[in-house]
Amino acid sequence: GDSVTQMEGPVTLSEEAFLTINCTYTATGYPSLFWYVQYPGEGLQLLLKATKADDKGSNKGFEATYRKETTSFHLEKGSVQVSDSAVYFCALNGRIGNQFYFGTGTSLTVIP
Amino acid sequence: DTAVSQTPKYLVTQMGNDKSIKCEQNLGHDTMYWYKQDSKKFLKIMFSYNNKELIINETVPNRFSPKSPDKAHLNLHINSLELGDSAVYFCASSRQQGRPQHFGDGTRLSIL
Repeated sequence: GDSVTQMEGPVTLSEEAFLTINCTYTATGYPSLFWYVQYPGEGLQLLLKATKADDKGSNKGFEATYRKETTSFHLEKGSVQVSDSAVYFCALNGRIGNQFYFGTGTSLTVIP
Repeated sequence: DTAVSQTPKYLVTQMGNDKSIKCEQNLGHDTMYWYKQDSKKFLKIMFSYNNKELIINETVPNRFSPKSPDKAHLNLHINSLELGDSAVYFCASSRQQGRPQHFGDGTRLSIL
């Protein structure tokens, strides 16, 4: 069945460091892909999305490119800030059954 | 204006009690969801309703019963609460099944 696998955390980085959180997917057909962010004490918020191969989603300095050949949607940011500390979830919308599948989440802590 | 609101935000109660969590969305969305998030941030879907009809009912004890009086509301009633029910419960909605979801801020349930 459809699923997403993301790198396990926790991840700890210094401010201004480069961030990569890996996400790979398994799906029938061509799903849409998403990154959600959950700040402490809050619900999940949509961070960015891509709906077809080679699309790049971007928001708040974060980027992710839909790579069909490697079935990946890695999240990147060039220079993280303390305010980026949160849990990040990769997700896909499976075409069959139209269901959403979330990854297990990756906790990021950015230290000054 | 809050898009997806859940009440209460915190719920502390004793084992064996019955409790309800309410959820309302003012986005005009057709689909609503309940998720359970454990202490490791793993997010598990419990139920999904589309226009008041149940469409996803994952393997959840039948002590959990969702009720959707109209498409803007999806409440969760839990009977005979157990220690393992302690978690954060999130309500979410989407325009249609499979579209990006908007989350509430969660209800933190603690069983004593």
